[in-house]
Amino acid sequence: ETGVTQSPTHLIKTRGQQVTLRCSSQSGHNTVSWYQQALGQGPQFIFQYYREEENGRGNFPPRFSGLQFPNYSSELNVNALELDDSALYLCASSSADNYGYTFGSGTRLTVV
Amino acid sequence: GQSLEQPSEVTAVEGAIVQINCTYQTSGFYGLSWYQQHDGGAPTFLSYNALDGLEETGRFSSFLSRSDSYGYLLLQELQMKDSASYFCAVYSSASKIIFGSGTRLSIRP
Repeated sequence: ETGVTQSPTHLIKTRGQQVTLRCSSQSGHNTVSWYQQALGQGPQFIFQYYREEENGRGNFPPRFSGLQFPNYSSELNVNALELDDSALYLCASSSADNYGYTFGSGTRLTVV
Repeated sequence: GQSLEQPSEVTAVEGAIVQINCTYQTSGFYGLSWYQQHDGGAPTFLSYNALDGLEETGRFSSFLSRSDSYGYLLLQELQMKDSASYFCAVYSSASKIIFGSGTRLSIRP
């Protein structure tokens, strides 16, 4: 069974640009969540998707958006990048009957 | 507001026992989880408590008291590989998880 894979692993963008991060869920998982983790902090919940619908959202502005595809893979899109968006972005997947989330290794985004 | 409090750092000796506490204040509560994260790595699920009491999984145990909005992670027979950050996380709804800021556990030989 494969785990959660994220791409790219590292990314450098300029302020004002847009970025798309990708995530492939673990086999058998139909729920995917995205988190932002600043250095030395805990992951901050961005949003969650279940069966291609957003079913939970944290305190992030609308310029953070996402998609979940029929194969349960997912994208996180961030528009109008700001310097404070620099962080590790983590994707996590789970199944409906399992409270444990499997995390990917993350995408390290640097905004300059 | 919603908040989780846990110590920022804990130091322990190899072979000993350590307890990491977590208190929470959230608008909803479904359960409490613990995750381990090594430097540069992904968070790894350790445990989940929905009901009061102690859950044991090998060297790790997790406890929850819903009436006290409190839980802890207990690590026994500490090994050097247990050096990592540990996060408590509250499921405030069926689709939203709030993480604490993490406890950095350092283990001395």
